Amino acid sequence: AQSVAQPEDQVNVAEGNPLTVKCTYSVSGNPYLFWYVQYPNRGLQFLLKYITGDNLVKGSYGFEAEFNKSQTSFHLKKPSALVSDSALYFCAVRDGTGANNLFFGTGTRLTVIP
Amino acid sequence: SQTIHQWPATLVQPVGSPLSLECTVEGTSNPNLYWYRQAAGRGLQLLFYSIGIDQISSEVPQNLSASRPQDRQFILSSKKLLLSDSGFYLCAWSALGQSLSEKLFFGSGTQLSVL
Repeated sequence: AQSVAQPEDQVNVAEGNPLTVKCTYSVSGNPYLFWYVQYPNRGLQFLLKYITGDNLVKGSYGFEAEFNKSQTSFHLKKPSALVSDSALYFCAVRDGTGANNLFFGTGTRLTVIP
Repeated sequence: SQTIHQWPATLVQPVGSPLSLECTVEGTSNPNLYWYRQAAGRGLQLLFYSIGIDQISSEVPQNLSASRPQDRQFILSSKKLLLSDSGFYLCAWSALGQSLSEKLFFGSGTQLSVL
């Protein structure tokens, strides 16, 4: 069965500093990994995904994520944080068995401090 | 372009009352449709998904039901709400028949408070 862990409920970072939001996963077979962002009282928006190929995936708003198979991780990163990046971030995984849905982590609230 | 509409945005209901949340998708045909719930301080939990009209899969046993009377309409219902049904409900769609890499598109959500 698929599962996703986001070990940090809250991440605080100063504006202009690099940020990392952590995610580890467990699946049978090859993982399909996603990051979504949720702004207050809104639905989720897709940021990026990893399917195959390059371990470093680039997405929307300057975000990127690094797939590490040996550590079963898919951490979200950005070189320089903006105050507007403050939001709730969800990691999600789908395995290769044909399951028709995404399994989400519990979310990490990112606060960028001016 | 495709859009997803979900309403109402907020809802306050007494315990024991019925529930009906509606979601419609425009600009695409035969979408996969999903209902997720986000409880306060918790992650997203998949409640139902549908691959076609009247084809509903339930992921967790609960007080809720879902129906898909039309291709692009997905309804979440309850006959009698419980306090534990409170939460933020999200409808989502993805393209049918696509690979597992297909992403979800989410509606703006319904904040349900059961009092």
